Amino acid sequence: TQLLEQSPQFLSIQEGENLTVYCNSSSVFSSLQWYRQEPGEGPVLLVTVVTGGEVKKLKRLTFQFGDARKDSSLHITAAQPGDTGLYLCAGVSAGGTSYGKLTFGQGTILTVHP
Amino acid sequence: SQTIHQWPATLVQPVGSPLSLECTVEGTSNPNLYWYRQAAGRGLQLLFYSVGIGQISSEVPQNLSASRPQDRQFILSSKKLLLSDSGFYLCAWSVRGVRTEAFFGQGTRLTVV
Repeated sequence: TQLLEQSPQFLSIQEGENLTVYCNSSSVFSSLQWYRQEPGEGPVLLVTVVTGGEVKKLKRLTFQFGDARKDSSLHITAAQPGDTGLYLCAGVSAGGTSYGKLTFGQGTILTVHP
Repeated sequence: SQTIHQWPATLVQPVGSPLSLECTVEGTSNPNLYWYRQAAGRGLQLLFYSVGIGQISSEVPQNLSASRPQDRQFILSSKKLLLSDSGFYLCAWSVRGVRTEAFFGQGTRLTVV
């Protein structure tokens, strides 16, 4: 079974602070994705990283895929109250009988206080 | 453009009653389809996924079953609901391949009473 360990589970910070969320696994994934979810809605994709060592930037958000394609991080610079939400990482299984399976981490609840 | 429809949005069912949640996708062919359950404020637990008609993989032994009678239709069912089946159920689809980004329905809030 492929598991994704996401940390921290909860993060409460002041506006303007920086933060990093981690997603780790002992398994190799063909790609790793980050989603953001609002209460009562489905998750919405933020980014997909495919290549080991890949770094992608989305405004104040920076995503990195580990060299071995087993882990990823999400860094937010100068957090704003609008960043508040549940952040989820998800890994796509690389092959075999689990090809195409999308497994999610436990999520990080981020609260940014004005 | 592709769209995913999931219904109903909310459902209150008595213990022991049957369940049928339906999910349909438009604008794409041969999608991967997924059913997830989510506890409040937590991650998504994969219940079932399907890479084709009649092909269902079950991830967690449980009181639920899934079927894919048509290419773009995915149904989550139960013969007798338990209190522990309460939760937020999400259907999702993805294209096949390395990227496999998932697109989610709006979810069904199921309360078993």
